[in-house]
This record gives sequence, C-alpha cells and structure tokens, in this order.
Amino acid sequence: AQKVTQAQTEISVVEKEDVTLDCVYETRDTTYYLFWYKQPPSGELVFLIRRNSFDEQNEISGRYSWNFQKSTSSFNFTITASQVVDSAVYFCALSDSWGKLQFGAGTQVVVTP
Amino acid sequence: GAVVSQHPSWVICKSGTSVKIECRSLDFQATTMFWYRQFPKQSLMLMATSNEGSKATYEQGVEKDKFLINHASLTLSTLTVTSAHPEDSSFYICSASHRSRPEETPETQYFGPGTRLLVL
Repeated sequence: AQKVTQAQTEISVVEKEDVTLDCVYETRDTTYYLFWYKQPPSGELVFLIRRNSFDEQNEISGRYSWNFQKSTSSFNFTITASQVVDSAVYFCALSDSWGKLQFGAGTQVVVTP
Repeated sequence: GAVVSQHPSWVICKSGTSVKIECRSLDFQATTMFWYRQFPKQSLMLMATSNEGSKATYEQGVEKDKFLINHASLTLSTLTVTSAHPEDSSFYICSASHRSRPEETPETQYFGPGTRLLVL
C-alpha cells in the first residue's frame, strides 16, 4: 500500500523567511512518481512539480526548490523568501504507474507580513 | 495550457434533489478524469476514476448509485449526486490527466477549481 506523510499540520512564518515542507512516502513499487500541489484559499489545486523515482535530481524553480532523497523516502519542498501569496495548503502526493494519486494530509502555510 | 473548469462553483439545494457537476478540460483532451471529495481542513479523497466511453471505477465505500459519473467525451465528465442529503455537503474537485511531453507516463493530473455543495 502507498502512503504519504506530511507531519507538519501548519507552519507560520513571517514574510521573507524560508519555509521547508516535509514529505515522507512509502511504496513497494520500484517505479513511482511524486507530486506537489498548492491549494490556495480559493480551493483550486495548482500543480507545482512532478518527479519520477528514477530521477533524483533536485530542482529549483524561482523561489521554489525540491529535495528528493530516495534513501530516506523524502521529497521535501522549500519556499525561499516567502511571500504572503504563498499562504496556502500544500499537498504532497504519490502516484503509481496508473496515475492514481495518494495525497498526504497537507501542510497549511501561513505567511504574515 | 492544461486548464480544467468546473461548473457550477457553488450550489445550494434542498434535501432529496439531484445535483449535476460538470468538469471540462478546456485546452486538451482527457481520456481519464478523476473525482475527489474534500471535507474542511482535510485531504482529498478519491471517489472514482472516469474513463471516456466506459464505466467509471469507484473507490471502496463510494456508492455508485449515489454518485453517478458520466464521461461522454474527451473533454467532459459529469458527477451527479442523486437524492442529495446534508451529509453529501462537501467540496467536490475533478481532475483531468494530461501529458505535457509525449514520453510522460503516467499523465499528470490537473485540477478544476472545485464545486462547493451545500444540501439543506
């Protein structure tokens, strides 16, 4: 069975601080896919990144960066120099080869001015 | 690209009525669409997988006669909540699978804005 754990329920930071969201996953598949989605207060889930299990390269996109470590089954997400617009719930998700997503519980990020 | 719309965004109905929610992929064709339900401050729960031209596959515990899913075309899937009751009040979100590169497998799910259902 697949499982995604986001142990942090809520993280509060002041604007311009960095924030790291943890994601730990469990799967018996040798090939799997990891995702991060952002859900702002409006409710729509926004796709942020996708990572295949055979590609352990870390990625940076603007203020966002992701650290994929197969050895610890983690796929952590860092927002650098946070802004108020980053306030949202962030979901980590795991997919098998069929594309069915298993979501974590989500982490609420609150950025205050 | 990969825009998904849902209609309506809000619906309030009386207990016992049926409500239809539409999910459309606007700029791509989606062989597979998914329907989720989300309660306040909780994660998304997959209800069913909808494939164009075939019957939907429901997750364990989801009543298929209660939540009717139709995927009539490559750009439209509908979820009908039949004989809605207050306990059906929730946030319903659909997603559509899209391949941003030809070699991308499986496809990435892109989500609609969601529909808030309130049953009185």
